Formats: sequence, structure tokens, C-alpha cells
Amino acid sequence: ETGVTQTPRHLVMGMTNKKSLKCEQHLGHNAMYWYKQSAKKPLELMFVYSLEERVENNSVPSRFSPECPNSSHLFLHLHTLQPEDSALYLCASSQDGYGAGAHTGELFFGEGSRLTVL
Amino acid sequence: AQSVTQLGSHVSVSEGALVLLRCNYSSSVPPYLFWYVQYPNQGLQLLLKYTSAATLVKGINGFEAEFKKSETSFHLTKPSAHMSDAAEYFCAVRKYNNNDMRFGAGTRLTVKP
Repeated sequence: ETGVTQTPRHLVMGMTNKKSLKCEQHLGHNAMYWYKQSAKKPLELMFVYSLEERVENNSVPSRFSPECPNSSHLFLHLHTLQPEDSALYLCASSQDGYGAGAHTGELFFGEGSRLTVL
Repeated sequence: AQSVTQLGSHVSVSEGALVLLRCNYSSSVPPYLFWYVQYPNQGLQLLLKYTSAATLVKGINGFEAEFKKSETSFHLTKPSAHMSDAAEYFCAVRKYNNNDMRFGAGTRLTVKP
């Protein structure tokens, strides 16, 4: 198994559909992230979970709903999306810590889920 | 707040030429700095990282970067470009004990034969 796996790789949905993106990490990390990558824009941090608790929510619209049932799995539930939500959604994980010897927290990314909203 | 600026959204070099991708950061405290590469239809892959040890950092695929505090820069270089280096490159900054990694807008590298 590769380090971070995302499914599905491609998703096409209508504005009234409900779908979910799934991410699984096999690295034993304690933090997971959702990023949005749109054309000609920097990566946007959407959500961060550390030790399964949400610690960051960068004013993401409520039509995006994250779920982190355990440290290895992360979901992004989608409903009533808009065409401007079409993008590549990247999941990442890291090993975070505090004090001497803390990890440097580099992110390990999945290959992304390409979402198209019609 | 920390941030990064990548100068040049698109860089084109000939095969065998020097690659130089520029990154400047702003941070109120010494940061951790990273370069990532993204190939088409793939996620981001770590090239190298600076974590306050040696200022010259060597990464994968022959890339290296030098941390210059006086210039707040972390430019990425490779002495000789290869066709397989064509990709998008992202500089990122992260403060110690902070979950918020900020990415630059990216630089697309094209390598001409």
C-alpha cells in the first residue's frame, strides 16, 4: 500500500448530489489534512485534524463536511456543491509533536481526487 | 503570519542548463521550509526540507536549496536540467509546532530538448 491513498481519483457530480471523498494513510501519522487545489491559485488549506480532533477550519463553506473517525482515515462529505468547487482535492498526513525531537511535520500527499461539478 | 512568494509562475530551460526556482518567505520566527514537486495528475512529493540544521540542503533527483536568512530566501537549484524535471514546483513554509503549512503559488518548469 502506498503511504496516502485517495478514492475516488475522479468524480463528476451534479449540484444536488451528495458524495464523499475518502483518504487513508498507512504511515502511522497523527495528523491529516484536506487541501483544495484550483487552477492558477495557491493550495488552500481546508481542514486539519490532529489526534482525530479538528484544529483548523479555514472558513470553508458548510457544503464541505469533514469526518475523521480515526487517525488513519479522513473523509470529505460533499453536498449541494457549486461549479466553482471543481478542483483537485488533496489529502495529506504528517507526524506532529512538541518539544525537543519534535518532527518537522512535512506533509505526505495522496494523488488527489479530481472533482468536477456540473 | 507566514507566507511564501515564488517569483515566476513559469520557468523554461534547455536540457542540461541550470535550473533556478526562486522562493522568498516571510515569517516572524525561524521557519521550516520545504520544496515539493507535482507531476501531472499526481499529488505533491517532497523534494527537500530545511529544519534549522545545515543551510545548504540536498534533496532528491539532484536538487538542492540554500537557506539565506539575510535575504529571507530558499531558492531551489539543479546544475543540469533533465527532461524528467518538467513539473510544477511548490515552496512551502511552516512554523514550529504549527499545523498551518503555507504554499506558494507554484512555478511550472518546462525543459526544452
